[in-house]
Amino acid sequence: EVQLVESGGGLVQPGGSLRLSCAVSGFTLSSYWMHWVRQVPGKGLVWVSRMNSDGSSTSYADSVKGRFTISRDNAKNTLYLQMNSLRAEDTGVFYCVRETTGTGEWYFDLWGRGTLVIVSS
Amino acid sequence: ETVMTQSPATLSVSPGERATLSCRTSQSISSSLAWYQQKPGQAPRLLIYGASTRATGIPARFSGIGSGTEFTLTISSLQSEDFAVYYCQQYDKWPPWTFGQGTKVDMK
Repeated sequence: EVQLVESGGGLVQPGGSLRLSCAVSGFTLSSYWMHWVRQVPGKGLVWVSRMNSDGSSTSYADSVKGRFTISRDNAKNTLYLQMNSLRAEDTGVFYCVRETTGTGEWYFDLWGRGTLVIVSS
Repeated sequence: ETVMTQSPATLSVSPGERATLSCRTSQSISSSLAWYQQKPGQAPRLLIYGASTRATGIPARFSGIGSGTEFTLTISSLQSEDFAVYYCQQYDKWPPWTFGQGTKVDMK
């Protein structure tokens, strides 16, 4: 089955760190650009970060630049998001998202179920 | 950054009726627009890409149209399983990839 499964969320104090993981199955991670998207419960979707297929290029939202690091281990079929210096406004459900490939379009065609991060003292 | 504006925020519709959702972008994105459906407690699901192409398995009652800065998602005859929040997203000018704030379709 083609799926993305996130893990690593939880409750963390402001200033703390968390590392999110996204295990992929049913497809080869190395063929796809991958993203992280955040959603505050009951609110909208906000793009956080992306990495290209071979890991040579990354992008970040201004709000997380310098604090978050996206990475991938294609051999383990796993995507990561290292989150440091966490703030209350980082709270939300973090989705691992696959960007489609080979169609000439670059939309998000597969989403994980998400992992909840709560930053609070 | 390309700002996405969806309207209305909430749309109250009876089953069997037509629902029309709008998405406007702050700059032209050609047809690089996707629509997603999200139900409570679930991840978003891709409905439409390229402004008008239905994703695999999406019923024909969902249709999209538009280009440039004005886009529309239409649900021709609303079914009970269609009550959800719908988001538009542009993937033409990135980073960042940007989403609209969502339109909630609820039962009248």
